[in-house]
Amino acid sequence: KNEVEQSPQNLTAQEGEFITINCSYSVGISALHWLQQHPGGGIVSLFMLSSGKKKHGRLIATINIQEKHSSLHITASHPRDSAVYICAVSIMEYGNKLVFGAGTILRVKS
Amino acid sequence: DAGVIQSPRHEVTEMGQEVTLRCKPISGHNSLFWYRQTMMRGLELLIYFNNNVPIDDSGMPEDRFSAKMPNASFSTLKIQPSEPRDSAVYFCASSLEGAYNEQFFGPGTRLTVL
Repeated sequence: KNEVEQSPQNLTAQEGEFITINCSYSVGISALHWLQQHPGGGIVSLFMLSSGKKKHGRLIATINIQEKHSSLHITASHPRDSAVYICAVSIMEYGNKLVFGAGTILRVKS
Repeated sequence: DAGVIQSPRHEVTEMGQEVTLRCKPISGHNSLFWYRQTMMRGLELLIYFNNNVPIDDSGMPEDRFSAKMPNASFSTLKIQPSEPRDSAVYFCASSLEGAYNEQFFGPGTRLTVL
C-alpha cells in the first residue's frame, strides 16, 4: 500500500464548477505539499501545510492531522486549471525527503 | 532570482553512453533534491543533499547512478552506462534545510535512451 493515496485519479469538470481533490496518508508527517504540473511543463509548489487551512486566489488547501487527510479545492474552475495535481508528504523520520501520491489529472472544459 | 536551473533540457543518447545532468539550485538554498518521473512510477526521490552532503541516497536505483554536489551552487547526476529503462524526466529541486520549507523545482531534463 502506498503511503500517500490520492483520489480521484482523473477528474473532468465544466468551467465554473467547484473541484475537490483528496489526499490520504498513512504515516506521521511533518508537512504536506500540494504541487501542480502542467502538460509538458515543470512542477510548481501550490501549498505547504502542517495544520489548518491555506488560501491563495481560487485555491484552498485544508489538512486534518488526526484523520491524516488533506483536500485541495478549486473554486470557479477555469480551463487553465487543467493540470496534474500532486500531493506529497514530508515523513517525520525522513527530514525533508518527500513521498509523492500518484497525482490527479484534472481537465476543465469550457 | 532565476530559479532552479537544469541542463540540458532534453537529452537523447544511445544505450551504454554516459549521461550527465546538471543542476544549479537557488542561491541561499542549502538542500538539493534529485527526482525522477516516469509514467509507471510517478515522481520518486533519488537522492538529496543538505549543505552539499548526501543525506539519503536510498532512491538511487543502482550503481550506474551517481550524484555529486561539489559546492553550494552546483550538482550533477550521472548515469553510466545508460539503459533504455532510464528514460524519464529528471527534476532537480532546492529548498532551505528542514521539513517545513517549500521546495522549488527546476524545469526538468527529459532523457531518452535509445
